[in-house]
Amino acid sequence: QKEVEQNSGPLSVPEGAIASLNCTYSDRGSQSFFWYRQYSGKSPELIMFIYSNGDKEDGRFTAQLNKASQYVSLLIRDSQPSDSATYLCAEYMNYGGATNKLIFGTGTLLAVQP
Amino acid sequence: KAGVTQTPRYLIKTRGQQVTLSCSPISGHRSVSWYQQTPGQGLQFLFEYFSETQRNKGNFPGRFSGRQFSNSRSEMNVSTLELGDSALYLCASSLMGDPQETQYFGPGTRLLVL
Repeated sequence: QKEVEQNSGPLSVPEGAIASLNCTYSDRGSQSFFWYRQYSGKSPELIMFIYSNGDKEDGRFTAQLNKASQYVSLLIRDSQPSDSATYLCAEYMNYGGATNKLIFGTGTLLAVQP
Repeated sequence: KAGVTQTPRYLIKTRGQQVTLSCSPISGHRSVSWYQQTPGQGLQFLFEYFSETQRNKGNFPGRFSGRQFSNSRSEMNVSTLELGDSALYLCASSLMGDPQETQYFGPGTRLLVL
């Protein structure tokens, strides 16, 4: 089982709708989670970081973390065609010593239809 | 402030050769991480360097190695290239490499092994 699982998509939503992207993880000890956006042919860029249960909002983006269910989500309100990209979920795994690392899911492709 | 730079941007090599990739972090950043991105496996962590020391390591064979210089610039080396090493190699920098810090990615080096 992969440590971070995402539906590869594509997830297609109409412009102005809410896009909901989901991510599950297997390690109950994971401390913090990141959402990155990657446009085709470009490198990832950070959108949100969350480490405590509940919601975290930043503009049109809301990240939700539920540690009991081992579930992280990203909501994009008022989706725009410019939001069309691959969204990568990542967890920071802290085992101490030489094994601390950022583990990425394979990403969900979001397509916002004008 | 200049972003993370990587050279070269594109490389074509043949099986059995070796390759060295370079990464210059954002000024003041001391942590540099390397990732391999392929369509099938997504983004996978290779290693992280901080103050010229490899601090974290992913699950890659010993053919993959790296180093960091006193100015925080980093290089990674892949020896005895295999076809499966064809990928986008990304480096990312952050101030101290702490889990709650943003990692800023460079544009990547696309390696094709023939």
